Amino acid sequence: DAKTTQPNSMESNEEEPVHLPCNHSTISGTDYIHWYRQLPSQGPEYVIHGLTSNVNNRMASLAIAEDRKSSTLILHRATLRDAAVYYCILSDFYGQNFVFGPGTRLSVLP
Amino acid sequence: DVKVTQSSRYLVKRTGEKVFLECVQDMDHENMFWYRQDPGLGLRLIYFSYDVKMKEKGDIPEGYSVSREKKERFSLILESASTNQTSMYLCASSFWGIENTGELFFGEGSRLTVL
Repeated sequence: DAKTTQPNSMESNEEEPVHLPCNHSTISGTDYIHWYRQLPSQGPEYVIHGLTSNVNNRMASLAIAEDRKSSTLILHRATLRDAAVYYCILSDFYGQNFVFGPGTRLSVLP
Repeated sequence: DVKVTQSSRYLVKRTGEKVFLECVQDMDHENMFWYRQDPGLGLRLIYFSYDVKMKEKGDIPEGYSVSREKKERFSLILESASTNQTSMYLCASSFWGIENTGELFFGEGSRLTVL
């Protein structure tokens, strides 16, 4: 199974941009890159996903390297509510093989 | 609103008991998943199912079995609970095929304690 590696933790100041990196050097050509986050005492929630091109939605942006071996989740303006564990995940085309790693714990400082 | 409902938020069982964790989704999703979450280990996939009566092992299936008799319901079974199965169990569901939404919907979790 394709795996990802992320830093264990990161800190950001409120209202500043946050760049959360993810390495996935063994990604295959058909693997999708997903980001989820988990707030305290809740199940994970979807943030964004992509295949090759950069993606934007109301929550975040996803920047995918040209060789697809890494990606970056960008939160444009961190708020205190963005403090969570962020997971970078690869899945196959059918969306069936979602394997979560330990994720990155993001702290947002006021 | 989309909904994944897990039958129990908190359970306390004794070693050797049979445990059923139920999960129901109302979104007509083909895929359903069971994960367990432990501190420092993130979420680990136990089993998933892509259709009624179909199941695939995840990373840590030992000590668990699953049942999917109806599309909306996916059950996780611990035949003989052990203390190392004390954990948070999370159910999720999704459409088949990433091009639909690429999104997993999670339930709130079931915290199981085995004494």
